[in-house]
Amino acid sequence: NAGVTQTPKFQVLKTGQSMTLQCAQDMNHEYMSWYRQDPGMGLRLIHYSVGAGITDQGEVPNGYNVSRSTTEDFPLRLLSAAPSQTSVYFCASSYGTGQGGEKLFFGSGTQLSVL
Amino acid sequence: GQQVMQIPQYQHVQEGEDFTTYCNSSTTLSNIQWYKQRPGGHPVFLIQLVKSGEVKKQKRLTFQFGEAKKNSSLHITATQTTDVGTYFCAGGTSGSRLTFGEGTQLTVNP
Repeated sequence: NAGVTQTPKFQVLKTGQSMTLQCAQDMNHEYMSWYRQDPGMGLRLIHYSVGAGITDQGEVPNGYNVSRSTTEDFPLRLLSAAPSQTSVYFCASSYGTGQGGEKLFFGSGTQLSVL
Repeated sequence: GQQVMQIPQYQHVQEGEDFTTYCNSSTTLSNIQWYKQRPGGHPVFLIQLVKSGEVKKQKRLTFQFGEAKKNSSLHITATQTTDVGTYFCAGGTSGSRLTFGEGTQLTVNP
C-alpha cells in the first residue's frame, strides 16, 4: 500500500498564480483533510471531507478550495496565491468521519513558497 | 473555539537525559492523540488516550491523560538521538475535529 500520496513535494509560485495540490489515498478512508504547518503554530485544518461529494471548512479555509469526486482523491486548490500561503501542506486521512478519535495517516507534505 | 496549548516549544537535551512535553486544553477532551514528526518528515501517529487518568507506555515513552481530561503529557526516559523531532498532541471532542497543539521540537545532543 502506498498510503497517502501527495504531489508535488515542492512548489514555487508567484503572487496571483493558481495551482492544485494533489492528494490520493489507497486505504479506502472516508475522511480526508488538508492541514497547513507554520513554525510555532502546529497543524491547522484547512478543509476536510467525510466522503465523496461532501466537504466542509476547517479553521483556516480562506483562499483555498476543495472538492471530493472520488473516495481516493482530495485536491486542494489555491485560487490566487498570496505570500501568506507560504507553508508546508499536509494531506491526512482516516477511517470513519474524523470525529471518533481515529488516527490520522499523513502524506509526505508539499512545501509551497509564494513570492 | 477549542484551544490546545503545548509547552515547551523547544527542548534541547543531552543524550541520556529525560524529556517531557505538556499539553493543555481549554475544554474537556474525549480523547488525545500524540504524533511525532521527524525533521523534514510528516507526522506519524504514536498513541491515543481516552480514559481519565490513563497511562500508557511504549518502551521509553510514557503518555498520561489527566484526571479532568484537559491535559496530557509525554515523557521520554533516557533520550536517544533517534528521539529527535517535533512531538504534537491533538485533542478531540465529541462532534469536532482534532485540534493540534503547537508542538515541542526536541533536539538531542550526542
